[in-house]
Amino acid sequence: GAVVSQHPSRVICKSGTSVKIECRSLDFQATTMFWYRQFPKKSLMLMATSNEGSKATYEQGVEKDKFLINHASLTLSTLTVTSAHPEDSSFYICSASTQGSGANVLTFGAGSRLTVL
Amino acid sequence: GQNIDQPTEMTATEGAIVQINCTYQTSGFNGLFWYQQHAGEAPTFLSYNVLDGLEEKGRFSSFLSRSKGYSYLLLKELQMKDSASYLCAVRNYGQNFVFGPGTRLSVLP
Repeated sequence: GAVVSQHPSRVICKSGTSVKIECRSLDFQATTMFWYRQFPKKSLMLMATSNEGSKATYEQGVEKDKFLINHASLTLSTLTVTSAHPEDSSFYICSASTQGSGANVLTFGAGSRLTVL
Repeated sequence: GQNIDQPTEMTATEGAIVQINCTYQTSGFNGLFWYQQHAGEAPTFLSYNVLDGLEEKGRFSSFLSRSKGYSYLLLKELQMKDSASYLCAVRNYGQNFVFGPGTRLSVLP
């Protein structure tokens, strides 16, 4: 089946630095990828929709200058958390729409746990 | 507005059957999905309903009633490894997925 690879799985950084998270579609092309954020014991919150070759579409309340998304190829989308602060600490998950059980389903990457000190 | 409700937590015994309910009110409807998420891991796809009725996949079944805005996930012959969060998600006409708060299921021996 379709696989979405996400890296790094865990990252710890100092406040004020930037962190880049990569999301790759393996063996398939993803013109659209989705970035979610998840707080402990909470559900997934869509941050933005990443579109290959064009600007990402951000959800209301998500700072586009804070969370930079680049989708330069059909197999790679990146999320950069700029000038990270402790409140940015969270679990970030990317996903792509794939075919499963006769429908378009979301296939998720393994997630990246960010801790900002 | 969009709203999806699920019970926050449920507990069941190994070998038993458990039903996790989901009610939704969304701006559009193009399918209802159930995902399983173990702690610290990404969600994995379980089942999908777009028409009313029951879909069965082994120990897992999912039911949908579009007129009532209601779905449930039925887990049979519970195993310890089924302890996880179960997320109900609705895909709207914009192809976006809206996720419910998730139900944390604890399976006890």
